[in-house]
Amino acid sequence: QLQLQESGPGLVRPSETLSLTCTVSGDSISRSRYYWAWVRQSPGKGLEWIGSVYYSGTAYYNPSLKSRVTISVDTSKNQFSLKLNSVTAADTAMYYCARPSQQLVAGAFDCWGQGTLVTVSS
Amino acid sequence: EVVLTQSPATLSLSPGERATLSCRASQSVSSYLAWYQQKPGQAPRLLIYDASNRATGIAARFSGSGSGTDFTLTISSLEPEDFAVYYCQHRSNWPLSFGGGTKVEIK
Repeated sequence: QLQLQESGPGLVRPSETLSLTCTVSGDSISRSRYYWAWVRQSPGKGLEWIGSVYYSGTAYYNPSLKSRVTISVDTSKNQFSLKLNSVTAADTAMYYCARPSQQLVAGAFDCWGQGTLVTVSS
Repeated sequence: EVVLTQSPATLSLSPGERATLSCRASQSVSSYLAWYQQKPGQAPRLLIYDASNRATGIAARFSGSGSGTDFTLTISSLEPEDFAVYYCQHRSNWPLSFGGGTKVEIK
């Protein structure tokens, strides 16, 4: 059964880099052909797609975050990661990792991690 | 970039009533539109993909329709567990985006 688990610091200082990892179990990033994704949700707000990464490392990003975000994949650990630099309070959110239902294309997300809350504060 | 606009922002209905939620795209997304349900403290759950296909395990009272720029999610008869926030999302091209959400609340 596919499971996604986010991990990383729950508190990040302003201007520093937010780093999160999603560990995948029940599927192999290197053998499957999905675009693995990060989605966030600020408190009381809607969902925001951050970006998606393919097993090869090809990544696509939200234009509003593109200058600050990097999503990478580590097939040896069956993980993919998010780095968001120069964070401000506006980056305080629940961060989810997700996998789409369809391979090879940008998809609708049928599997989500439980989410991890990241607070940006000094 | 595709902008998705959901309406209404809030829908106040009673159990047993029919709910009709709208999602409008700023440009054609063909049929590449999904719907999610989210309850407080939970991750979103996929209901409908590619405009009209129910995801695995989703009850038949949920249905989706539309193509191009106008889409509808219909809940034929609201159950108590259906009161939640609903989001649409397109996958027609990069970048992906979500709508702002519709909250279905108990009247």
